[in-house]
Amino acid sequence: AQSVTQLGSHVSVSEGALVLLRCNYSSSVPPYLFWYVQYPNQGLQLLLKYTTGATLVKGINGFEAEFKKSETSFHLTKPSAHMSDAAEYFCAVSEVYKLVFGAGTILRVKS
Amino acid sequence: KAGVTQTPRYLIKTRGQQVTLSCSPISGHRSVSWYQQTPGQGLQFLFEYFSETQRNKGNFPGRFSGRQFSNSRSEMNVSTLELGDSALYLCASSEGRPLNGYTFGSGTRLTVV
Repeated sequence: AQSVTQLGSHVSVSEGALVLLRCNYSSSVPPYLFWYVQYPNQGLQLLLKYTTGATLVKGINGFEAEFKKSETSFHLTKPSAHMSDAAEYFCAVSEVYKLVFGAGTILRVKS
Repeated sequence: KAGVTQTPRYLIKTRGQQVTLSCSPISGHRSVSWYQQTPGQGLQFLFEYFSETQRNKGNFPGRFSGRQFSNSRSEMNVSTLELGDSALYLCASSEGRPLNGYTFGSGTRLTVV
């Protein structure tokens, strides 16, 4: 079965600084990978996804992620954090007819 | 295009009661999935339906059940509620293929007292 590990349950950055949220997966087949964001009292919003092709994936709100098969990683980055990026972020891998989620990383942005 | 609609948004029930949650997927989407989100267990998969057929089921007791109607709308039911069933229940709709991804609703917050 696939699994996802997100390193760091809480990450704190200053406004304007680089955001790096780490995600490692295990999968026996080429994976489909996703990053979702959740704001308080809301559902999950898709930031970006990797299916096949280009390993650097660009998403909404300036986020991007790079699929590295050799490292089984799919880290999420954003060059410059904004206060509105404060939320919880989930990495997920697709399994048969479902998503397997990591535990989530809460991003705090300091002014 | 309207998003995924879940009703109700909030629900308070008493232990031992049963509850039904509803989900209307994006128009044209034939797959509906359900997830339970709790602080302790995170996001856990409940079940997935495609064209009224359950294709996958998570590791939850039989008190949790679901169904999908011919218009793709889905309901999930929890019988004999326990305190531990308090959670945010999220519905996701999809065209049916994993590479398409999933669009989530805002969820139903269930509190069992």
